[in-house]
Amino acid sequence: KNEVEQSPQNLTAQEGEFITINCSYSVGISALHWLQQHPGGGIVSLFMLSSGKKKHGRLIATINIQEKHSSLHITASHPRDSAVYICAALNTGNQFYFGTGTSLTVIP
Amino acid sequence: KAGVTQTPRYLIKTRGQQVTLSCSPISGHRSVSWYQQTPGQGLQFLFEYFSETQRNKGNFPGRFSGRQFSNSRSEMNVSTLELGDSALYLCASSWTSGTIYEQYFGPGTRLTVT
Repeated sequence: KNEVEQSPQNLTAQEGEFITINCSYSVGISALHWLQQHPGGGIVSLFMLSSGKKKHGRLIATINIQEKHSSLHITASHPRDSAVYICAALNTGNQFYFGTGTSLTVIP
Repeated sequence: KAGVTQTPRYLIKTRGQQVTLSCSPISGHRSVSWYQQTPGQGLQFLFEYFSETQRNKGNFPGRFSGRQFSNSRSEMNVSTLELGDSALYLCASSWTSGTIYEQYFGPGTRLTVT
């Protein structure tokens, strides 16, 4: 069993839809990261969370430490949001564990 | 300011050889982390350096090593290359102060081992 599980693996949405990507982890963490990877490999660090909620533009990330669960929400999705979204848990031993990613396609 | 740069961008090596990859972090960032990405295993953490010291290490064999210089530039070395080492190697530099955290990834070095 992976330490970090993401769902769904693949997601197709119509432009403008509200999108949620989920991440569950089994390790004790000091922080949880959300990353975005576009075709061609470039990775962007979106959020680092240790509690609560963070918002940046149309992106919102939440974390529930008790339930060991985090969500990434995209409001008013746009084709340029099409990418792979990766959840990464930094455990209390400062070791990173990555989810396998959610491939998002937003159709105009 | 300039982003994270990695050199070379592409590399082809043969089994048994060794390779050195380089990463220049964003100015002012003292932490550099290295990651391996393969289609089968996804992203995996290799190690992190901070102020010339290895601070964290992932579960990779001793053939994978790294170092960081006083200007925060970092190198990673893989000795006795195996076919399974073919991957995209990414480095990221980061900076943190209180609740502020910045992390930027480089474009990666795509290594092919034949």
